[in-house]
Amino acid sequence: GDSVTQTEGLVTLTEGLPVMLNCTYQTIYSNAFLFWYVHYLNESPWLLLRSSTDNKRTEHQGFHATLHKSSSSFHLQKSSAQLSDSALYYCALSDPGGNYKPTFGKGTSLVVHP
Amino acid sequence: GALVYQYPRRTICKSGTSMRMECQAVGFQATSVAWYRQSPQKTFELIALSTVNSAIKYEQNFTQEKFPISHPNLSFSSMTVLNAYLEDRGLYLCGARHSANSDYTFGSGTRLLVI
Repeated sequence: GDSVTQTEGLVTLTEGLPVMLNCTYQTIYSNAFLFWYVHYLNESPWLLLRSSTDNKRTEHQGFHATLHKSSSSFHLQKSSAQLSDSALYYCALSDPGGNYKPTFGKGTSLVVHP
Repeated sequence: GALVYQYPRRTICKSGTSMRMECQAVGFQATSVAWYRQSPQKTFELIALSTVNSAIKYEQNFTQEKFPISHPNLSFSSMTVLNAYLEDRGLYLCGARHSANSDYTFGSGTRLLVI
C-alpha cells in the first residue's frame, strides 16, 4: 500500500533561516497526488500545497515544493522562516486506487524562534 | 468556501462507554467522508471511507462494530466510538470532499480522552 515518510519529530529554526522539510513516498500509481498540510493547534489541518505534475514547482504563501517522481520526493521549502510558520506539517499522498483519500506521513513539528 | 465543522472539539468518556462525534459540511456537498484517528505519537490513520449511496469501507484493524458511521445525506456524517478504552484515545478527524476533482476539506478534530 501507499506510504509517506517525512522528516520526523521536531525541527527548530531561527527566524529568517531557510526551511526544508523532507518527504518521500511509495505508491504504485504514477498519477498520485502529493500534498503538504499545515496543522495549527486546535484548528483544522489545511492544504498548503498539492501537486501531481513531475518536476513542476508549486508555490503558496512563501512555501514551495517540487514533485520529483524519479526520486519519489516532495520536499517542502521556504527561503526565510517566520515565527508564524510554527506548526505541524504533514506530507500526504492520494491516488485513484484509494479513492483519493489522503495517506499521511507522521508529521513534522516546526518551531521557529526569534 | 468549503468548510467542515466537527464537534465536539474535545470530550472525556469513562472506560467502557461510548461517544459520538459529528461533522457538518458547509458550502459543498460531502459525497465522500473519510474518518481518521491520530493516536499519541502517531500519524493520522484512516478508519473508514464513506461515500453516499455506497457501502462504508473500513480499513484493516477498524470495524463497523467498533466505529459505526452514519452518512445520511450530503452535508452530515457521524461516527461513534463504542466501548471506548485507553487505546482509543487520540484525535479523530473527519475530511470531506465533493468529487474526484476536489480535495478533502478537514474538520478541526475531536480529541478523545478516556479515563
